[in-house]
Amino acid sequence: DGGITQSPKYLFRKEGQNVTLSCEQNLNHDAMYWYRQDPGQGLRLIYYSQIVNDFQKGDIAEGYSVSREKKESFPLTVTSAQKNPTAFYLCASSIVAGVYAEQFFGPGTRLTVL
Amino acid sequence: AQKVTQAQTEISVVEKEDVTLDCVYETRDTTYYLFWYKQPPSGELVFLIRRNSFDEQNEISGRYSWNFQKSTSSFNFTITASQVVDSAVYFCALLGGGADGLTFGKGTHLIIQP
Repeated sequence: DGGITQSPKYLFRKEGQNVTLSCEQNLNHDAMYWYRQDPGQGLRLIYYSQIVNDFQKGDIAEGYSVSREKKESFPLTVTSAQKNPTAFYLCASSIVAGVYAEQFFGPGTRLTVL
Repeated sequence: AQKVTQAQTEISVVEKEDVTLDCVYETRDTTYYLFWYKQPPSGELVFLIRRNSFDEQNEISGRYSWNFQKSTSSFNFTITASQVVDSAVYFCALLGGGADGLTFGKGTHLIIQP
């Protein structure tokens, strides 16, 4: 089946540790996105990538890093510099970036930093 | 800057009642898209509708209908004869010109009581 997978569903880490969240898509989409959701809040854009080996900062990129070495993969690293990393993280993809592209979302990873 | 406002934080109705979720947006772009997504307790965002800025026709899909009014920058969502399965958080989102990701409202938590 085509879609977006995120793993793991739940992730626990100790404060000060870096952690990498996985996002894979087999939709052959060019663009991929990472969003963060906090309780009672909408989603906020962390990073996005229009093509392989290229990515741009979103609204809240500080304390995060990404890579896009393959079209189907867009992992997100939450670094120790992120002051409040506990949140729900959603990955999305679209066939191309821009106004005409509907975004499809993965199931999300809930990260808890202890 | 783009902004989406969902003034209703939580709505609770009894099953079979009609309910309208409000969405007001701000953008300087002349070409843009508006979206509604549903987020059930599982967390994954489910796409409901996309509407472009040049198409102000209302749309109906089963019990769901959408009213897009450019004059008031609103894109409201109505559920007719609500059901318990409609209980979820509903997000309105805006995608403007360029390659950035979606701008989300904070969501409306809809509770349908049996």
